[in-house]
Amino acid sequence: NAGVTQTPKFRILKIGQSMTLQCTQDMNHNYMYWYRQDPGMGLKLIYYSVGAGITDKGEVPNGYNVSRSTTEDFPLRLELAAPSQTSVYFCASSKGLAGGGETQYFGPGTRLLVL
Amino acid sequence: DAKTTQPTSMDCAEGRAANLPCNHSTISGNEYVYWYRQIHSQGPQYIIHGLKNNETNEMASLIITEDRKSSTLILPHATLRDTAVYYCIVSPWDSNYQLIWGAGTKLIIKP
Repeated sequence: NAGVTQTPKFRILKIGQSMTLQCTQDMNHNYMYWYRQDPGMGLKLIYYSVGAGITDKGEVPNGYNVSRSTTEDFPLRLELAAPSQTSVYFCASSKGLAGGGETQYFGPGTRLLVL
Repeated sequence: DAKTTQPTSMDCAEGRAANLPCNHSTISGNEYVYWYRQIHSQGPQYIIHGLKNNETNEMASLIITEDRKSSTLILPHATLRDTAVYYCIVSPWDSNYQLIWGAGTKLIIKP
């Protein structure tokens, strides 16, 4: 199993550009998550999904959109990139509820720089 | 805001046991204690979790005080590869996503 994979590894965007961060998991997990991590800080949840077709907002959803058309894929869309979105983005998945004794598996991250 | 308090950084000698404390004085009865670690900006890695009882797995041991207001993660024989940021998180068992991440403890294993 590859686990959770993310592409790209690194990207530079200009202010106002848009992009999609890709996330795929091959563990047949129902739950998937997008986090961002700023330097020296913990992770903050952007969006999560409890299954195909079902998504919901986390702590910091503004400026982002998600979709979940399949169990495997959970892309994150930035529509109008802003410098405040410069961060490292992590995708994660879990079999069940993250807070319910389940393990979250994380991808390697995407480093995004908005200039 | 994170519901846990951890030291900002700690050192430990290679081969010795690393004991990482975590304070969660406001923990509720239905909240698990989780530990994850993050090695050099990689994706976080699950270590262990517990509710009331002490737990042990191949990576570490988790000791939870009887009143559940604090816990200690123990890495029994620390190696240089254990240098990482360690996150202690509490979360309700019925939460879809509420793993609130603090800044964690930077553990440095010294030769």
